[in-house]
Amino acid sequence: EIVLTQSPGTLSLSPGERATLSCRASQSVRSSYLAWYQQKPGQAPRLLIYAASSRATGIPDRFSGSGSGTDFTLTISSLEPEDFAVYYCQQFAGSLSYTFGQGTKLEIK
Amino acid sequence: QVQLVQSGAEVKKPGSSVKVSCKASGGTFSSFAFAWVRQAPGHGLEWVGGIIPFLDTVNFAQKFHGRVAITSDEPTNTAYMELSSLTSEDTAVYYCARNREWTGEGGAYYAMDVWGQGTTVTVSS
Repeated sequence: EIVLTQSPGTLSLSPGERATLSCRASQSVRSSYLAWYQQKPGQAPRLLIYAASSRATGIPDRFSGSGSGTDFTLTISSLEPEDFAVYYCQQFAGSLSYTFGQGTKLEIK
Repeated sequence: QVQLVQSGAEVKKPGSSVKVSCKASGGTFSSFAFAWVRQAPGHGLEWVGGIIPFLDTVNFAQKFHGRVAITSDEPTNTAYMELSSLTSEDTAVYYCARNREWTGEGGAYYAMDVWGQGTTVTVSS
């Protein structure tokens, strides 16, 4: 089973700054199978990025995804107050199954 | 606009079972695939299982083997997840999500693009 490890565990930044979140896989992951989600307290996760770099419908262009193989990155170019949340990477493992990273909490500094 | 609406919160005794429903609207149910994901208090997301109703295909995480049943009812556009032999470790918010497949230049893409509101299941004596 492929394990996804996200870093850092917590990222403290100020509005307007750039955020870089990492997701590292224990084995190579097909880029088309890698997604990122945002979750705010008390809410369901929201799909941000699929296929490693494609923004989901309605997602602002300050969110971007990149990477391949075992290293993937979610970048938020200029943080807005509503962007402070927990972010998860996810990979499709075939036959309807998925694994998630443990999450990165993005908090206001 | 596809929407998923889940059943309400449940409080269960250890050893009992819980069945959570997920009703879809705004799309063609027969073309959907569903995923079930749970989140224990203060923890991350954990995939529980999934179903493709029109193919009658089900899969679930090995740790739930023998305890979980995932079904669907096309006339009511509803998917279900039933978890048995509950323990306190099953206390969590359970989400259903549409397991979507796209086709593009890179081949097939997979992600969960629409989510239900979540169902809180509390297991307590």
